[in-house]
Amino acid sequence: NAGVTQTPKFRVLKTGQSMTLLCAQDMNHEYMYWYRQDPGMGLRLIHYSVGEGTTAKGEVPDGYNVSRLKKQNFLLGLESAAPSQTSVYFCASSYALGSGRIYNEQFFGPGTRLTVL
Amino acid sequence: DQQVKQNSPSLSVQEGRISILNCDYTNSMFDYFLWYKKYPAEGPTFLISISSIKDKNEDGRFTVFLNKSAKHLSLHIVPSQPGDSAVYFCAASVGSSNTGKLIFGQGTTLQVKP
Repeated sequence: NAGVTQTPKFRVLKTGQSMTLLCAQDMNHEYMYWYRQDPGMGLRLIHYSVGEGTTAKGEVPDGYNVSRLKKQNFLLGLESAAPSQTSVYFCASSYALGSGRIYNEQFFGPGTRLTVL
Repeated sequence: DQQVKQNSPSLSVQEGRISILNCDYTNSMFDYFLWYKKYPAEGPTFLISISSIKDKNEDGRFTVFLNKSAKHLSLHIVPSQPGDSAVYFCAASVGSSNTGKLIFGQGTTLQVKP
């Protein structure tokens, strides 16, 4: 049981390049999330998904796109990278809510450190 | 507009003493609060949580207190241990949204000195 894994762990891009970050979870979680962590800013939600084939915007979605074609995978894309996207990116997943339950713990991956020059 | 705030970027305590980490929020719709712990080069891990219908939740050395009228929560660690040295994030959620989305504070770096 690997939990939440992220690929790659590190990446350096030049301004204008594109890339895709892959998140995979083997816990059969319905919900998945992408966050970015910047110094003094905590973790901010970029996009999230409450099920296969669904995605929604979080707090800071501009410049990013996501896809959830398979339940276990959540991809984060940068179409034209900018230096402001230099950050550490975390993926997380959790069980679905409902049946009176208002919260489930989110499990986080180890992060991807992205530098845009 | 920062809905969840941790106003102390860092805290240093002696081993064996109590560590108190504080968090304030502005959105009265938040009904679930959590603390996550993060070591360098790792993802955050869940530590303890509290529902808005309670004012205290305890788990071993960790206790979270919630003061809804003041929109304030705190995490107490007693006794503090060197292995507790990490960044602590508080987070809040609106359960009725059925999305599980979390709003995080900026984090507080705790250093426990031997």
